[in-house]
Amino acid sequence: DAGVIQSPRHEVTEMGQEVTLRCKPISGHDYLFWYRQTMMRGLELLIYFNNNVPIDDSGMPEDRFSAKMPNASFSTLKIQPSEPRDSAVYFCASSLKRGGHQGSYNEQFFGPGTRLTVL
Amino acid sequence: KQEVTQIPAALSVPEGENLVLNCSFTDSAIYNLQWFRQDPGKGLTSLLLIQSSQREQTSGRLNASLDKSSGRSTLYIAASQPGDSATYLCAVPNGAGGGNKLTFGTGTQLKVEL
Repeated sequence: DAGVIQSPRHEVTEMGQEVTLRCKPISGHDYLFWYRQTMMRGLELLIYFNNNVPIDDSGMPEDRFSAKMPNASFSTLKIQPSEPRDSAVYFCASSLKRGGHQGSYNEQFFGPGTRLTVL
Repeated sequence: KQEVTQIPAALSVPEGENLVLNCSFTDSAIYNLQWFRQDPGKGLTSLLLIQSSQREQTSGRLNASLDKSSGRSTLYIAASQPGDSATYLCAVPNGAGGGNKLTFGTGTQLKVEL
């Protein structure tokens, strides 16, 4: 498997423009996560899906952010309108829920990230 | 609220040295703990996932231990190599049943010098 695929790898845009980040999870995985990483705040979970359904979007900073997962092999994170403070690296991760000795667990696998710069 | 701390924030060692990275968490009611490495400009690579019922997990030169009662995990790297230079992050899930939301530590930036 190619792992989690994200595109684009780098995006530079001007304030006010719409930005769409894309993710293809590992085939067969039933969870998909969107994270944001900055120097100041570290890694933050924005939203996650289970079987294409959004489960928890409490980490989405504002209404300017939206995420969709139309099918098991594709997800998008959209920022409209973008602002300079949205500049960060955005990661997508996927996992497969497995049964374990002490309940289920998810080992998450990350994509290479999209480095977003909003000028 | 779970808080995850990693000490030290940065570490520089000569090649060949054995080293230990530390991770501590405030809420010991966790079901597992995951260690990742992140190379500059790249995503996170999962190294080890250790379940709460396990005390250790090994992969090659890496050994992770977990002590839930004291809220600590360590990642031991044997015979360090320059290729081990990266940032190492630990993460614990929130919620019961393994959970799905990970809380990450701030990371330890490791540099292994020739």
